[in-house]
Amino acid sequence: GAVVSQHPSRVICKSGTSVKIECRSLDFQATTMFWYRQFPKQSLMLMATSNEGSKATYEQGVEKDKFLINHASLTLSTLTVTSAHPEDSSFYICSARDWRGGSIGEGEKLFFGSGTQLSVL
Amino acid sequence: EDKVVQSPLSLVVHEGDTVTLNCSYEVTNFRSLLWYKQEKKAPTFLFMLTSSGIEKKSGRLSSILDKKELFSILNITATQTGDSAVYLCAVETTSGTYKYIFGTGTRLKVLA
Repeated sequence: GAVVSQHPSRVICKSGTSVKIECRSLDFQATTMFWYRQFPKQSLMLMATSNEGSKATYEQGVEKDKFLINHASLTLSTLTVTSAHPEDSSFYICSARDWRGGSIGEGEKLFFGSGTQLSVL
Repeated sequence: EDKVVQSPLSLVVHEGDTVTLNCSYEVTNFRSLLWYKQEKKAPTFLFMLTSSGIEKKSGRLSSILDKKELFSILNITATQTGDSAVYLCAVETTSGTYKYIFGTGTRLKVLA
């Protein structure tokens, strides 16, 4: 299956600093990537949809200026948590769709990165 | 508002038991329904369903979709301790843009 690489896997930072998380599709081009946030023992909450070459689409309640998303190429999307605070501590996970085009087929699946555990002190 | 609900929220069974996990949804512009298994970090893909009534099978796991009643089930037969995980259901919608809405998840624990 397709491979999505996410880095770093874990980051600990001081309150007020900014943290950048990278998500790369290694063996396919991803025009769209998704960023999710997951709290302990809860499901994945969609934060934003990242579109290559255009602005990201944010879900209701997600602060655009807080969570900056850049999708500069077909294989890379980044999420920057700006001026991080302890309440931003969470597991962040990206995903990318392996789009083969045309009708719905087995190739159209959503693949996930390994996630980033962010701890803000 | 698009919604995906899974039940039960958690389940404890013994090895060898059969379990059925449920996923119901209310979304506009449904495109597909996907099942994932999440053990520690990244969810791993299990099934993608697009048509009603067609069972998908992989080993001891199987899944089926009912687009009329808006639900899907995931069956696991002869459960093993390695099946312990959170099982996530996601629905792909095309309301303006493609996106995937995840359910609450079902936490399955299989006891030896």
